[in-house]
Amino acid sequence: KQEVTQIPAALSVPEGENLVLNCSFTDSAIYNLQWFRQDPGKGLTSLLLIQSSQREQTSGRLNASLDKSSGRSTLYIAASQPGDSATYLCAVRPGFQKLVFGTGTRLLVSP
Amino acid sequence: NAGVMQNPRHLVRRRGQEARLRCSPMKGHSHVYWYRQLPEEGLKFMVYLQKENIIDESGMPKERFSAEFPKEGPSILRIQQVVRGDSAAYFCASSPPGTSEYNEQFFGPGTRLTVL
Repeated sequence: KQEVTQIPAALSVPEGENLVLNCSFTDSAIYNLQWFRQDPGKGLTSLLLIQSSQREQTSGRLNASLDKSSGRSTLYIAASQPGDSATYLCAVRPGFQKLVFGTGTRLLVSP
Repeated sequence: NAGVMQNPRHLVRRRGQEARLRCSPMKGHSHVYWYRQLPEEGLKFMVYLQKENIIDESGMPKERFSAEFPKEGPSILRIQQVVRGDSAAYFCASSPPGTSEYNEQFFGPGTRLTVL
């Protein structure tokens, strides 16, 4: 059974810091891995999707890496801003169907 | 091109009532997924449907929950005789036809169900 773990559960940093969020999964047989952002009381915004054949994806200040063999992914946020404050969710796709989500990292960036 | 639509956004029910949650997928999408997010927990898969077919309902509670995706109209998640433990955010996602590993799921804003 695929399980996804995210560390840390919560993170508080001052504005401007670079930070890394971690995601690990127990079964390396995945099609892709996706990072989402969720604001309080809101839906999910897809940030980056990494296919199983890829090693990383970049979008603006965000960079996500994937090491499928070790079951790990990291989301790197450069020069953090207060607007980055949200919960970040990692999800893997073990088949054509469902996504399996981690419990998220709650990020607070202080001005 | 409108995204995934869900309604209502907020739903309040008393114990024992029925809750109906609706999801309209993105235009051209024929696959629908429902996920539930309990307070302080991650999203959990419930069911995967294609038009008129339930493909995978391995995450659905065995009783009181049902889902459909008719040929015409939105997908419906139905919860009968709701209990307080059903209070959660219910998210719908859709993806294009086909089973390509590159198909991405796009999420709606969710319906927040509160059971009094």
